Amino acid sequence: DTEVTQTPKHLVMGMTNKKSLKCEQHMGHRAMYWYKQKAKKPPELMFVYSYEKLSINESVPSRFSPECPNSSLLNLHLHALQPEDSALYLCASSQGGLAGGNEQFFGPGTRLTVL
Amino acid sequence: QKEVEQNSGPLSVPEGAIASLNCTYSDRVSQSFFWYRQYSGKSPELIMSIYSNGDKEDGRFTAQLNKASQYVSLLIRDSQPSDSATYLCAVRFGFGNEKLTFGTGTRLTIIP
Repeated sequence: DTEVTQTPKHLVMGMTNKKSLKCEQHMGHRAMYWYKQKAKKPPELMFVYSYEKLSINESVPSRFSPECPNSSLLNLHLHALQPEDSALYLCASSQGGLAGGNEQFFGPGTRLTVL
Repeated sequence: QKEVEQNSGPLSVPEGAIASLNCTYSDRVSQSFFWYRQYSGKSPELIMSIYSNGDKEDGRFTAQLNKASQYVSLLIRDSQPSDSATYLCAVRFGFGNEKLTFGTGTRLTIIP
């Protein structure tokens, strides 16, 4: 099973709402990632969890709050977002650790629209 | 600042021809190189990874790596309309680095 799943597929929220994006993988991977992608741009890294600990935060605003409940699950909690936060949010996972090439596999993404 | 550069295109190739996509990177101490394909509105899909100098072939795809010249390329043989997509080059700089640095992508169109 080489699949990363994400829910929901689409999300529309107001600027005062609180919502969460969910990601799950069953590949035994120990590193999980959140990316943000705007149209015609490459994915932009937001957070990395390695062995369930936050290892990279790319200076993301605090209105985005990641959580890794266990090695298979990754959440992104959203609060007080701005319209410019509308984008495709991608989750990815990789084997993790120092060895190997660390191929990252992406989920299908959540298309987020902030009104 | 470690960088990955790609020609944004669009690159138009006739059906059945070879499509050649190129990528250069800024740091000699780089270990891992990846090509992703992304269809419009979809997520990136890993199609090739390469770690050593030389060629790596997988079906119609060949990745070529030249660390001395700091470039990696992707050849697509017998191009099909279904190959029309944006191709993202990604580099893992250094050792033990969890972060991938992406190029801006090359938009490829296969003309029937």
